[in-house]
Amino acid sequence: AQSVTQLDSQVPVFEEAPVELRCNYSSSVSVYLFWYVQYPNQGLQLLLKYLSGSTLVESINGFEAEFNKSQTSFHLRKPSVHISDTAEYFCAVSDRNSGAGSYQLTFGKGTKLSVIP
Amino acid sequence: EAQVTQNPRYLITVTGKKLTVTCSQNMNHEYMSWYRQDPGLGLRQIYYSMNVEVTDKGDVPEGYKVSRKEKRNFPLILESPSPNQTSLYFCATRLADSYEQYFGPGTRLTVT
Repeated sequence: AQSVTQLDSQVPVFEEAPVELRCNYSSSVSVYLFWYVQYPNQGLQLLLKYLSGSTLVESINGFEAEFNKSQTSFHLRKPSVHISDTAEYFCAVSDRNSGAGSYQLTFGKGTKLSVIP
Repeated sequence: EAQVTQNPRYLITVTGKKLTVTCSQNMNHEYMSWYRQDPGLGLRQIYYSMNVEVTDKGDVPEGYKVSRKEKRNFPLILESPSPNQTSLYFCATRLADSYEQYFGPGTRLTVT
């Protein structure tokens, strides 16, 4: 079984400042890692994912996350945030061995990012 | 337009009155799932379905039922709702061989 810990429930940050949202996971097997974003009053959308290859993954809107196996972390970063980044961010993990056909996602409790003008 | 729809979006009901929340997708996805989202708890999976007539329990299935008679629909049934089922519910779908889930807009349920 896997578990995900998002260390900060809320992160306020000023516009154009950098931000890091922390995610640590626990698993007895290899994992795939995901970040989902939930804008106010909307469903979740996939932001980025790590399946294999380069440990640094990027999204189209400037976020990036780095898979660190030794620290079991997958922190999300952005060098300069915008008002439109205000949302709740969820880290999620799945068992790498289960395959795409049967994998299940385990979500963290979420981090609310508030960008202050 | 590819989408996942849920109905109703908002529902206030009373304890014990059976209700159904519908989920429909037009992407021909094999996999469908229901989650509930509660403050401080994140998303927890209720039930999922790998394909038509194939369903299985998630982490918090008590008090819920599902059915998958058609590929596009995956209704969530609360036979006798209780106040602890007050929550925000999301349906999610994906292709069988994909890791990306597509979420519906959510259904906010209040049970008094």
